Amino acid sequence: DQQVKQNSPSLSVQEGRISILNCDYTNSMFDYFLWYKKYPAEGPTFLISISSIKDKNEDGRFTVFLNKSAKHLSLHIVPSQPGDSAVYFCAALPASASKIIFGSGTRLSIRP
Amino acid sequence: DTGVSQDPRHKITKRGQNVTFRCDPISEHNRLYWYRQTLGQGPEFLTYFQNEAQLEKSRLLSDRFSAERPKGSFSTLEIQRTEQGDSAMYLCATSPRSGKGYEQYFGPGTRLTVT
Repeated sequence: DQQVKQNSPSLSVQEGRISILNCDYTNSMFDYFLWYKKYPAEGPTFLISISSIKDKNEDGRFTVFLNKSAKHLSLHIVPSQPGDSAVYFCAALPASASKIIFGSGTRLSIRP
Repeated sequence: DTGVSQDPRHKITKRGQNVTFRCDPISEHNRLYWYRQTLGQGPEFLTYFQNEAQLEKSRLLSDRFSAERPKGSFSTLEIQRTEQGDSAMYLCATSPRSGKGYEQYFGPGTRLTVT
């Protein structure tokens, strides 16, 4: 059972425009939602989080939005830069748990 | 470099052989996690240590898998009698005692190929 779903395996965006990555989840008991970024030959790196009691968190060019009624979150990157080309994993942390549950990832390509 | 390190980076083995992977955490990170990632999927949780205590194991961790963290520092993951389905990237991650558990620092992974 996939509790965190990323339905778009890939996304291509022009440099300078907004990138929007989407994620859906099925479990209402998640405490935090996360985005991790992964470059080839490296492990994932933490990017940004949002508590389940918030609906928006912003960090520089990155903003995460949480819509609890729709069980949906999204990551906005604006403006998109070439270095943003990577695989982005949506993830969630259940309450009182240590393990992160990851989605299958979206490969973002920023084209010039 | 003071990040999480994993050894080896690549391992090719024949079906039925045993393999062992090592993870060295960031200094003073007391929490350590193992994940497995297959092609086209995100990392899947395998097991979690707090210091030397193994506190959680996934049902993915069959009897052929064992993990240890004997002194609360480095950890090993052993797979016995490997099967082709064990081919995957094995990722180690650590997090500090004082941090939020969701901010985990990943190593580069060990890619296992079982032939």
